[in-house]
Amino acid sequence: DTAVSQTPKYLVTQMGNDKSIKCEQNLGHDTMYWYKQDSKKFLKIMFSYNNKELIINETVPNRFSPKSPDKAHLNLHINSLELGDSAVYFCASSHKRLAGSTDTQYFGPGTRLTVL
Amino acid sequence: AQSVTQLGSHVSVSEGALVLLRCNYSSSVPPYLFWYVQYPNQGLQLLLKYTTGATLVKGINGFEAEFKKSETSFHLTKPSAHMSDAAEYFCAVRYSNDYKLSFGAGTTVTVRA
Repeated sequence: DTAVSQTPKYLVTQMGNDKSIKCEQNLGHDTMYWYKQDSKKFLKIMFSYNNKELIINETVPNRFSPKSPDKAHLNLHINSLELGDSAVYFCASSHKRLAGSTDTQYFGPGTRLTVL
Repeated sequence: AQSVTQLGSHVSVSEGALVLLRCNYSSSVPPYLFWYVQYPNQGLQLLLKYTTGATLVKGINGFEAEFKKSETSFHLTKPSAHMSDAAEYFCAVRYSNDYKLSFGAGTTVTVRA
């Protein structure tokens, strides 16, 4: 009965590699997000998709590319990984477009990425 | 730009004592306000939120928060701390015309036996 799930939970890889993190939600939400939590636990939004349409794209290196095959999935692909990409990445989802609504975001368990 | 300030990066309380976590926002327009909790090695879980209406909001696990517009604050309290309350707590804001949830830096709560 997991609401927002992410795979893998842990990811250890070498610099320069390309990796993907997958996110799936079974809440029937149509908006999904990716957040990055750094080593000081600061959380910052990276991307958001609504019904497969990109609606938020913060200042993120273009090595990061989100992909939404359908509204229940939002994957994050990272090219040419760097040491500074080490962080915990959280996926989240909400019921509908947040603008003008009071709906809450629900978070996944996180993916801890370590770049060596 | 909106910002959220959580006063105190670490709070240590004794079991049974009051927990008080402070959150202030900086804007002239009151945002929607949220408190999330993150237990070790887990994702974020919503404790409570304020959107409109009653300014005292009750959440899960005995937590509550009061929105004070005059003080631009949304402090989180729990009358009696339990060992299971040890976690990271995040205050967050969102404006009604925005998609983004902006988080404070977080407060780590430790509970002493």
